[in-house]
Amino acid sequence: RKEVEQDPGPFNVPEGATVAFNCTYSNSASQSFFWYRQDCRKEPKLLMSVYSSGNEDGRFTAQLNRASQYISLLIRDSKLSDSATYLCVVMTGTASKLTFGTGTRLQVTL
Amino acid sequence: GAGVSQSPSNKVTEKGKDVELRCDPISGHTALYWYRQSLGQGLEFLIYFQGNSAPDKSGLPSDRFSAERTGGSVSTLTIQRTQQEDSAVYLCASSSGQGRRDEQFFGPGTRLTVL
Repeated sequence: RKEVEQDPGPFNVPEGATVAFNCTYSNSASQSFFWYRQDCRKEPKLLMSVYSSGNEDGRFTAQLNRASQYISLLIRDSKLSDSATYLCVVMTGTASKLTFGTGTRLQVTL
Repeated sequence: GAGVSQSPSNKVTEKGKDVELRCDPISGHTALYWYRQSLGQGLEFLIYFQGNSAPDKSGLPSDRFSAERTGGSVSTLTIQRTQQEDSAVYLCASSSGQGRRDEQFFGPGTRLTVL
């Protein structure tokens, strides 16, 4: 079983739609959680950290469920510029090394 | 300020040759990471440097891979006797090293193709 699992998609949604991605992780000792965004042939960039209490940044909402070991990302009012691959990322242990999921591809269309 | 830079941006080599990939982290960042991303795969951790501590090499796939970080700044990843399965994008990231929620800033990567 992979340490971090995501549905690869693609998710094809029209502009203005709400879309949600889920991610599961296998190591219950994981401590920190993130969503990164990666545009085609570009490097990953941090989108947002994920906190147990849930957190929101504009149109983006992230949730963490430690009991079920899953993380979610909700995007409201999708824009064309949201088209990218969204990487679920987990940090386990003291070395601060990140474990990445393979990513969920989102395509927002007119 | 300047972000993480990597060179070369693209490298094509023949099987069996050695290659060196370079990473210049953000100035002042004490933590430096190497990852690789193969086609259709997630990013795979390779090695982690933090200050003067011994590096965490637990992700290196074989003894053909090694990395150095000189003077706590620039890092080079060396792959000896390259194989076709080494073809991937090699990404370097740096962070301030001050906490678990440190953002890791990635460089643009080096795309390695082994023929």
